Amino acid sequence: ELKVEQNPLFLSMQEGKNYTIYCNYSTTSDRLYWYRQDPGKSLESLFVLLSNGAVKQEGRLMASLDTKARLSTLHITAAVHDLSATYFCAVTNYGGATNKLIFGTGTLLAVQP
Amino acid sequence: ETGVTQTPRHLVMGMTNKKSLKCEQHLGHNAMYWYKQSAKKPLELMFVYNFKEQTENNSVPSRFSPECPNSSHLFLHLHTLQPEDSALYLCASSQDLGGGGGEQYFGPGTRLTVT
Repeated sequence: ELKVEQNPLFLSMQEGKNYTIYCNYSTTSDRLYWYRQDPGKSLESLFVLLSNGAVKQEGRLMASLDTKARLSTLHITAAVHDLSATYFCAVTNYGGATNKLIFGTGTLLAVQP
Repeated sequence: ETGVTQTPRHLVMGMTNKKSLKCEQHLGHNAMYWYKQSAKKPLELMFVYNFKEQTENNSVPSRFSPECPNSSHLFLHLHTLQPEDSALYLCASSQDLGGGGGEQYFGPGTRLTVT
């Protein structure tokens, strides 16, 4: 059974600082997603990572994937308050007939002025 | 309307009520999903439909009854719910199933409270 773990679960950081959120998964998978969720809102897709060594960047966020280590990271550079949200990683079950996403528990990010 | 829409956005119902949640996608996708998001828990996949056919039922209690009349619409019929069913119910769609199906696009969710 594919399991996805994120850490930390909660992250309080100051504006201007850098930090990394980690996403580990238990079995082989062929793609990994990062989503953002604002309070009371839906999930917004941030990144789709499709291969080992994939790196994608959008603004202050950069995501990477190491399929051998079964690890993805979401790096935040020079955080700003607008980045405060809950971030989820999700992994597709490998070789499955259904596009089934297994989500991590989420990381609640609070960026303080 | 664009993307994935859900109605109602908020719903309060008693344990003996019957209600329905509606999801509509305007993306031309073929697959649709229901998820449950409870506090402090990961998103749980409930049902998957592809071309109107159910392909996944993730051991969901029968008090939740999905319906997919066409590829653009998905309903979740609710009856005799329990307080622990209170959660955010999210609908999503993707182009199709399988590893190449692409990412899922989520609706805004329905916040359900069972009293």
